[in-house]
Amino acid sequence: GENVEQHPSTLSVQEGDSAVIKCTYSDSASNYFPWYKQELGKRPQLIIDIRSNVGEKKDQRIAVTLNKTAKHFSLHITETQPEDSAVYFCAATDTGRRALTFGSGTRLQVQP
Amino acid sequence: DAGVIQSPRHEVTEMGQEVTLRCKPISGHNSLFWYRQTMMRGLELLIYFNNNVPIDDSGMPEDRFSAKMPNASFSTLKIQPSEPRDSAVYFCASSFRGTGELFFGEGSRLTVL
Repeated sequence: GENVEQHPSTLSVQEGDSAVIKCTYSDSASNYFPWYKQELGKRPQLIIDIRSNVGEKKDQRIAVTLNKTAKHFSLHITETQPEDSAVYFCAATDTGRRALTFGSGTRLQVQP
Repeated sequence: DAGVIQSPRHEVTEMGQEVTLRCKPISGHNSLFWYRQTMMRGLELLIYFNNNVPIDDSGMPEDRFSAKMPNASFSTLKIQPSEPRDSAVYFCASSFRGTGELFFGEGSRLTVL
């Protein structure tokens, strides 16, 4: 099955700085890589995703990059704000065949 | 649509009792997933259904856990008998098969004393 590793487990940045979270996956058949944000006591919610036919995707202050050869993908948040503080999960799957496998999560703290 | 609806939101029970968690997926979604979240193990897949049929239940911890999906709009996760190590937040999620994107319910926080 798929195995997703995520680093770092915690990340503290100053407001306005950038934050980068990295994930690796094991199954070369995986073709869908979403990122979820979970605020304290809330449900995980999709913030951005990327499919294997593209290398980068951007949505305002967040971007995701994918390197299929190396089997890793990353989340980039620029101009961080206190409301970005949350736990972020990466995930991977081969859509239609398997459920999402999640990374262990990164707790991001943005210091005002 | 109201999104994925789970009940109860909170459940406190004593060891040995039966626990039933319920989920109503988003209308039109044909895949349903049960995940368990703990600090130690993160988000773990327990089981998922496509078109009401269980596809992968390899994440179900043991025979104490069972899940059913009698129709497209309802699923249950049952724990019998419950144990303190079952304490966790149980999330139900649904998706339209093939798209990948999961929509999570608000979760059921289970505490087994």
